[in-house]
Amino acid sequence: QVQLVESGGGVVQPGRSLRLSCAASGFTFSDYALHWVRQAPGKGLEWVAFISYDGTNKYYADSVKGRFTISRDNSKNTLFLQMNSLRAEDTAVYFCARGFGSGSYVHDYWGQGTLVTVSS
Amino acid sequence: DIQMTQSPSSLSASVGDRVTITCRTSQSISSHLTWHQHKPGKAPKLLIYATSSLQSGVPSRFSGSGSGTDFTLTISSLQPEDFATYYCQQSYSTPLTFGGGTKVEIK
Repeated sequence: QVQLVESGGGVVQPGRSLRLSCAASGFTFSDYALHWVRQAPGKGLEWVAFISYDGTNKYYADSVKGRFTISRDNSKNTLFLQMNSLRAEDTAVYFCARGFGSGSYVHDYWGQGTLVTVSS
Repeated sequence: DIQMTQSPSSLSASVGDRVTITCRTSQSISSHLTWHQHKPGKAPKLLIYATSSLQSGVPSRFSGSGSGTDFTLTISSLQPEDFATYYCQQSYSTPLTFGGGTKVEIK
């Protein structure tokens, strides 16, 4: 069965960096695009970033562009999110999700998320 | 960016009730509309994609309809396990955007 397991969350000071990982299993990782989506406390879902199956295409939300970088290692079935210059408003649970359908913009499987808290 | 307006933001309903949630987009997205269910502390779950296609394993009491800018999620007979927050999402273009969510609570 498809599994996505996020890790790397924690408490970090404003301006510092953090790297999230998402370990995938149960499907051919290199065939699928992937996304990061976040949910701030008490708020709704917000799409963060997309990476194509081979890593050549990457798209970002304006709120993270220039600070976050999405990448993947198809040899290790792992997705990453490098988060730099973190701000209080980046505090959220971060989910990875598999892309499916037209443009691979449908999220058909999700992980349970990892919590990032940005606070001094 | 495509804006998503979802209503209501919350509703109270009883087991067996028919529930309808609506989603309006700021521009036409053809049929590229998705519905997710989310329970606290759990992974979100895809219910419906391409407006009306039921994801594998999702009960048939869930259905979706609409086109262009107006879309609807219907639960024909609410079950205890359906109490959750529901989100619409456009899968037409980046940045992908979600509705604000509808929290379905027990009456």
